Amino acid sequence: SQQGEEDPQALSIQEGENATMNCSYKTSINNLQWYRQNSGRGLVHLILIRSNEREKHSGRLRVTLDTSKKSSSLLITASRAADTASYFCATVQGGSEKLVFGKGTKLTVNP
Amino acid sequence: DTEVTQTPKHLVMGMTNKKSLKCEQHMGHRAMYWYKQKAKKPPELMFVYSYEKLSINESVPSRFSPECPNSSLLNLHLHALQPEDSALYLCASSQAGSLMNTEAFFGQGTRLTVV
Repeated sequence: SQQGEEDPQALSIQEGENATMNCSYKTSINNLQWYRQNSGRGLVHLILIRSNEREKHSGRLRVTLDTSKKSSSLLITASRAADTASYFCATVQGGSEKLVFGKGTKLTVNP
Repeated sequence: DTEVTQTPKHLVMGMTNKKSLKCEQHMGHRAMYWYKQKAKKPPELMFVYSYEKLSINESVPSRFSPECPNSSLLNLHLHALQPEDSALYLCASSQAGSLMNTEAFFGQGTRLTVV
């Protein structure tokens, strides 16, 4: 079953611009993770934010989490053509071993 | 070594065939996962193995049969599949216990076509 809903479903920007993707979920979570997928291949973990954290940074990535609104956002600053990929949020509930993915945002960065 | 290796990369099989997908990791992870991903959709969890024991089966049809021979290997045996089972099959692993404080590492997937 899907937990997260990403918004927008598709995003097209120019190189150098910032890209913001949003994720909403339905149940209480232990943590929320963001993954990237190039051209329908394997997923690569980007960042994990715990339910007691509000913001986290990693390089050009900034993730926020609002548990009261059950939402998260991923900001990619100074985007590059190589950032073109699909981005998924995924949630982990309680002590679960289940990582449940949202629908994803397809990002295109034009050179 | 932070890789999860899946073989084969591509597989075409008939509806009466029996085939197996293989997944291997050498990171000492004790949890391993199978996901199925249809085109333009998110990955959907199929099975979870924890310490070589099946801990989660997401009501997957019996034509998919998982096996975990040891802590490094995960197989998915396929039999009598339907064309709608064509998809990208992803294997993942993570440190034991749960995903509370750690991420999953994914392989590159096997693209399966059932004809």
